[in-house]
Amino acid sequence: KAGVTQTPRYLIKTRGQQVTLSCSPISGHRSVSWYQQTPGQGLQFLFEYFSETQRNKGNFPGRFSGRQFSNSRSEMNVSTLELGDSALYLCASTRQGFTGNEKLFFGSGTQLSVL
Amino acid sequence: AQKITQTQPGMFVQEKEAVTLDCTYDTSDPSYGLFWYKQPSSGEMIFLIYQGSYDQQNATEGRYSLNFQKARKSANLVISASQLGDSAMYFCAMNSEGGNKLVFGAGTILRVKS
Repeated sequence: KAGVTQTPRYLIKTRGQQVTLSCSPISGHRSVSWYQQTPGQGLQFLFEYFSETQRNKGNFPGRFSGRQFSNSRSEMNVSTLELGDSALYLCASTRQGFTGNEKLFFGSGTQLSVL
Repeated sequence: AQKITQTQPGMFVQEKEAVTLDCTYDTSDPSYGLFWYKQPSSGEMIFLIYQGSYDQQNATEGRYSLNFQKARKSANLVISASQLGDSAMYFCAMNSEGGNKLVFGAGTILRVKS
């Protein structure tokens, strides 16, 4: 069974640009969530999608957005990039995610560098 | 508010010995899940073990076991027979609000010495 797949693995962008990251969940998983990891702030929840709808949202500015497709694949977009957006972006999937009692599996992440 | 506290920034352990990584949590929700993940230098987050708040027994997964003490709100990870490949960052996390939303601790760097 394939795991969570994130593409691309590495990205280099300049300030002001926008970027789109992709995440394919484990087959059968319908919930996808995104996390940002930085040395200063650690791991922070961005948002979660289930059945093409955003179900949870963290405390990030509106420049961070996402969507989910009918096949459960998800994309996140960051517009008007800032230097502070440089981070490892991780995607996680789980089957339903209705309660706190489901295992979450992560992808390898996308390392974004903003110059 | 949910919170995860990992008080050990770094730990050393001798190869083949056991090591305990500490984790305490705070939540007012009676239903929650506790997770441990391993993150090697490559960056991927590897699922190790899971404990549900209603599980009667401590979780075990191979060399990993979770020492769950609900009254003390602690969920320590025990790694038995440490291996050099266990050197990595370890994160404790909790999901209590429903949905696919984890709150992470700051992590503990584990170094296994030969």
